[in-house]
Parts: sequence; structure tokens; C-alpha cells
Amino acid sequence: DTAVSQTPKYLVTQMGNDKSIKCEQNLGHDTMYWYKQDSKKFLKIMFSYNNKELIINETVPNRFSPKSPDKAHLNLHINSLELGDSAVYFCASRDYLSDTQYFGPGTRLTVL
Amino acid sequence: AQSVSQHNHHVILSEAASLELGCNYSYGGTVNLFWYVQYPGQHLQLLLKYFSGDPLVKGIKGFEAEFIKSKFSFNLRKPSVQWSDTAEYFCAVNGRAGNMLTFGGGTRLMVKP
Repeated sequence: DTAVSQTPKYLVTQMGNDKSIKCEQNLGHDTMYWYKQDSKKFLKIMFSYNNKELIINETVPNRFSPKSPDKAHLNLHINSLELGDSAVYFCASRDYLSDTQYFGPGTRLTVL
Repeated sequence: AQSVSQHNHHVILSEAASLELGCNYSYGGTVNLFWYVQYPGQHLQLLLKYFSGDPLVKGIKGFEAEFIKSKFSFNLRKPSVQWSDTAEYFCAVNGRAGNMLTFGGGTRLMVKP
């Protein structure tokens, strides 16, 4: 009965590779997000989607491409991975009425 | 643009000590304010939130926060911390005009048993 789930939990890969992280929410929310948490625990929003449409793109390199096949899913594809992409990536969904965001468990990406 | 500052980066307390974590925000309009907690190796969980009304809000696990509009602050408090409160605490702001949550840099709390 997990509300917001992400796969994989851990991802270790070489520089230059392409990888995807998947996110699914079963809360019926219309809005979903991707956040990046760096090694100093600083959390920064990357993207926001509302009902499958991109509404926020916070100057993220175009190597990062979010895709929302339906409003319950928001996947993140990363091309040509760089060392600086190593971080924990959190997906979240937002309940419009309470304006509260619910976070997934995170995906720890390590680029070697 | 909205921004959030958490002045205490690391806090170490003994069990039963009182806790206050500072949070100041910068935003020209009306805001919704949040505190999230991240236990070691876990995802963020909502502790409490303020939208309107009584500026003193109570959350889970005995935490409370006070919104002081004149100081643009939303400090988190707990009268007596426990070892299980060891975690990273994040203050966040959402300007009512949009749905973008801006986080502070986080405060790492360590409670010694």
C-alpha cells in the first residue's frame, strides 16, 4: 500500500551511461515532482508535472528528461551521466486540497 | 523568488533537552509553511504545516512550530527530545501563487542517549 514508490532504490553506473528512475503514486494526485538531494543533504526541485504536463523545469540540464505516461507515473531519464549527477533523487506527489507533498523513498544514484 | 534559511546546520543535544530549530523565509506574498523530517536512510515525512489561523501549530511526535509573520520565521520546537528524534529536519515554503516547494538547507539533529 505504498503511496509513492520509486525504482530502483540504488543505482550504480559508469560515466557516460544512460539510466532511468521510475516513480509511481497511488494517491490519485494530479501533480508530481522530482527533487535532487546532494551530498550535503540540500534538496532542490528539478521538475513538476501536473496531469502529465510539465509545469516547472528548474534550469536542469537537458540530459535530464522527465516523462509522464499518465498522471500516476513520472519517470526520470538521464543521458550521458556525469560524476556530478551522483545524488539521491526523490519523487513526490502533491495533494491539491491540503497542499501537502508526499515523498517516495528516494533513489541513490552513484556515478563512477 | 522564495528562499528559506535554516541557521543551525548541526545540533547535538542530550535526551530530555529542549529543542528549537530556526527557519526564516523570504517571499513577498502569502505562504504555506512546512517542516519535514528525514530519519537516517529514509524518505521525507511531514512533521507539521501552517496555512492560516493559529500561528502555533502542533505536529506529530510532540513537535510544534510557531509562525511569526513579522519575523518571517517558522521555528520548530520540542520540549524534550528523545534519541529517536535523531534525524535531518527541513523547513520548506510554498508561495500560494504556485505549487513549488522550496526547502532550507536542513538541520542535522543528533540526540545523545
